Amino acid sequence: GAVVSQHPSWVICKSGTSVKIECRSLDFQATTMFWYRQFPKQSLMLMATSNEGSKATYEQGVEKDKFLINHASLTLSTLTVTSAHPEDSSFYICSAQSRGAHQPQHFGDGTRLSIL
Amino acid sequence: GQSLEQPSEVTAVEGAIVQINCTYQTSGFYGLSWYQQHDGGAPTFLSYNALDGLEETGRFSSFLSRSDSYGYLLLQELQMKDSASYFCAVRDTGGFKTIFGAGTRLFVKA
Repeated sequence: GAVVSQHPSWVICKSGTSVKIECRSLDFQATTMFWYRQFPKQSLMLMATSNEGSKATYEQGVEKDKFLINHASLTLSTLTVTSAHPEDSSFYICSAQSRGAHQPQHFGDGTRLSIL
Repeated sequence: GQSLEQPSEVTAVEGAIVQINCTYQTSGFYGLSWYQQHDGGAPTFLSYNALDGLEETGRFSSFLSRSDSYGYLLLQELQMKDSASYFCAVRDTGGFKTIFGAGTRLFVKA
């Protein structure tokens, strides 16, 4: 079945560091990828939607200069948290969807980001 | 605005049947999905309904009524491993964006 690989699983770094998270669809072409943020015991908050080869569409309140998203190929999207601060600490999850509005989203295992 | 409502918690015993309801109010609708998430893990896709009616996949079934903006997830023969959070999610028109409900925490007791 469809597999989405997200790397790294855990990141602990100092305030001011930029962190890149990768999301890969291993056995299908992901025409659309989504990036979510989740706080403990809360729901998934959509941050942005990216279509291959296009600029990402950010949700209201999400700083595009803070969270840089690149979706350069049909199998890879990256999220870079620039100049991360403690308030950026969270669980970040990507999901990927192949072409077709009724195709399911498949999620990566998530990245737990801790900024000291 | 867009909103999905589902109960915050449900408790049941092993072997029982549980129904988790979801009502939605969204600007567009393309389908209703259900996801399972264990603590510390990522969501796992369970089911998707684009049309009215019941979809069955093993012990899990999902139902949709578009006229009522309502759906539910039915879990049968509950097992301890079913203890998790369950999210309903609506895919908007065009299928390019999914809005998640707040989630229902299911506790299965022995």
